[in-house]
Amino acid sequence: GAVVSQHPSRVICKSGTSVKIECRSLDFQATTMFWYRQFPKQSLMLMATSNEGSKATYEQGVEKDKFLINHASLTLSTLTVTSAHPEDSSFYICSARDRRSVETQYFGPGTRLLVL
Amino acid sequence: GENVEQHPSTLSVQEGDSAVIKCTYSDSASNYFPWYKQELGKGPQLIIDIRSNVGEKKDQRIAVTLNKTAKHFSLHITETQPEDSAVYFCAARSGGGADGLTFGKGTHLIIQP
Repeated sequence: GAVVSQHPSRVICKSGTSVKIECRSLDFQATTMFWYRQFPKQSLMLMATSNEGSKATYEQGVEKDKFLINHASLTLSTLTVTSAHPEDSSFYICSARDRRSVETQYFGPGTRLLVL
Repeated sequence: GENVEQHPSTLSVQEGDSAVIKCTYSDSASNYFPWYKQELGKGPQLIIDIRSNVGEKKDQRIAVTLNKTAKHFSLHITETQPEDSAVYFCAARSGGGADGLTFGKGTHLIIQP
């Protein structure tokens, strides 16, 4: 149980294009999902908190117009990187919290984004 | 906000020996402390967690201890095996329900055969 999937696992795009990453909780409902970013050999940095049916809450320094988050259902959240640039290249990881649990977060396998 | 410090950054132990990773946190309101194992190119996997009302928790070869007064918590892995080699992250969650996790910088654990 507690499986979180992400799609795609890898994506390469040209500078200036937009990329959408999906995060799904497969066997539980998640009222809250989180998006993290991880650079090589570094830790995970929280980008935003996504609550089903409401606007996402962004961490300080994260551009909400660049990283669009939608959490339309209890099992799906999407992150769209708009007008991607090479500096947006990173490992993006989502996590989901089971609505029955106050704290436990289960992470997806991550999406490797490379912007050329 | 919360700040989590993790040590050491790299830890090499002989197979069968124990490994200990330590973390400190800054926000006394933090009440949940999970540990994650991350293998190369994969997402973090929850291995154990502890809440602030508990001092110690054990799951087979893995244990976590929490000292709320000193604001530090530790991961203990006994009888280490080659498959334990990975990067381990500690994290803390501040009170409030909806907050995300603040992670330590990670410890690269290497199990020498």
